[in-house]
Amino acid sequence: SAVISQKPSRDICQRGTSLTIQCQVDSQVTMMFWYRQQPGQSLTLIATANQGSEATYESGFVIDKFPISRPNLTFSTLTVSNMSPEDSSIYLCSVEKWARGEDSYNEQFFGPGTRLTVL
Amino acid sequence: KQEVTQIPAALSVPEGENLVLNCSFTDSAIYNLQWFRQDPGKGLTSLLLIQSSQREQTSGRLNASLDKSSGRSTLYIAASQPGDSATYLCAVRGGTGRRALTFGSGTRLQVQP
Repeated sequence: SAVISQKPSRDICQRGTSLTIQCQVDSQVTMMFWYRQQPGQSLTLIATANQGSEATYESGFVIDKFPISRPNLTFSTLTVSNMSPEDSSIYLCSVEKWARGEDSYNEQFFGPGTRLTVL
Repeated sequence: KQEVTQIPAALSVPEGENLVLNCSFTDSAIYNLQWFRQDPGKGLTSLLLIQSSQREQTSGRLNASLDKSSGRSTLYIAASQPGDSATYLCAVRGGTGRRALTFGSGTRLQVQP
């Protein structure tokens, strides 16, 4: 498995400001993902972050609004820029780990999330 | 584009009942399927993962099945307990190089003591 921490766990921000969310993993991983969960909704992928390359964004998400850094194999940040109340969501970091055994497979694990409220 | 649907959206049962949560997906070319649990305001806990070549996985009182050809999975919870109350999410990983998960909208379960 993987132990993932996120900072901050929650924040209340003013419209027009920016917030950077940190994601730390206890082991090296190749693939990291950032998801958004709007109130009462399921998870939507924002972008995939690979170390040493530009993040790949999903349709509807742009780098200027959600810049991502991935400086090494255990850490990533997501910034929510120029925030509006519509950005109020839980932001979750996840990683993919390769499990080796009788059957080898990839499994995804999630951090505890960052609950963001924009006033 | 993969779409994942979960039925029912909400479920309330008395303690001790056995129950089944349903998940369906539109593109059967998946790599694997995961069931997660999410408590209110919290992150996701992975419950079970089923590889595309597998039919079912079991962990304690939980059993998940997969019928890839029909695009369906079920999560069976035996002898439900109040501590099982949470939202259960089904997610699939595509088989065409897309590594991220596509999630269903979840089933919100309430187990009454």
